[in-house]
Amino acid sequence: EADIYQTPRYLVIGTGKKITLECSQTMGHDKMYWYQQDPGMELHLIHYSYGVNSTEKGDLSSESTVSRIRTEHFPLTLESARPSHTSQYLCASSEYGGAKNIQYFGAGTRLSVL
Amino acid sequence: GESVGLHLPTLSVQEGDNSIINCAYSNSASDYFIWYKQESGKGPQFIIDIRSNMDKRQGQRVTVLLNKTVKHLSLQIAATQPGDSAVYFCAESSLSNSGYALNFGKGTSLLVTP
Repeated sequence: EADIYQTPRYLVIGTGKKITLECSQTMGHDKMYWYQQDPGMELHLIHYSYGVNSTEKGDLSSESTVSRIRTEHFPLTLESARPSHTSQYLCASSEYGGAKNIQYFGAGTRLSVL
Repeated sequence: GESVGLHLPTLSVQEGDNSIINCAYSNSASDYFIWYKQESGKGPQFIIDIRSNMDKRQGQRVTVLLNKTVKHLSLQIAATQPGDSAVYFCAESSLSNSGYALNFGKGTSLLVTP
């Protein structure tokens, strides 16, 4: 069982609100990721980090931002939520090591913006 | 980016039968492949992986086959059980994928009937 935790599990919020989705892992992994997943669809990478103070944008453009001040913590922030942000957000981590890149996922945050 | 896709969106099998889930990829530079299982309301869970220098790898009740010639991999589940009902994703990785990030295909929903 992977030690990666996401909070909240579910969030319903009004348009224009600022939100932060939390992600923490206790495995000491250097690499962390955020994916966006619509119901029944594939995962799309929106952000990733190689380690502390490293953040990169993924393949899918996102209005969210991330920070990596501590190895174990990789929060995602939306400054002004919109209905188009309604989706499931999945956080993952992996050991930094190149090709063999097993990512361990949290349970996800299901976000609904009204 | 390169596409990773699955041949069938849904697969229904009887309990006790063997299941085969297929995946096609298009990136000839892919050098690592991984299968995940995602149950309803949960994050993806690692099942098995394979490097491009192998054509077969076995785990507990699961086998992954890789055919690089036709860019195809499959996941075989032996003696399928009701607990195997989930969505299965294949993913590929290469150095060109944002530093070995995983590129996920569309999932196949496996339904195990009694």
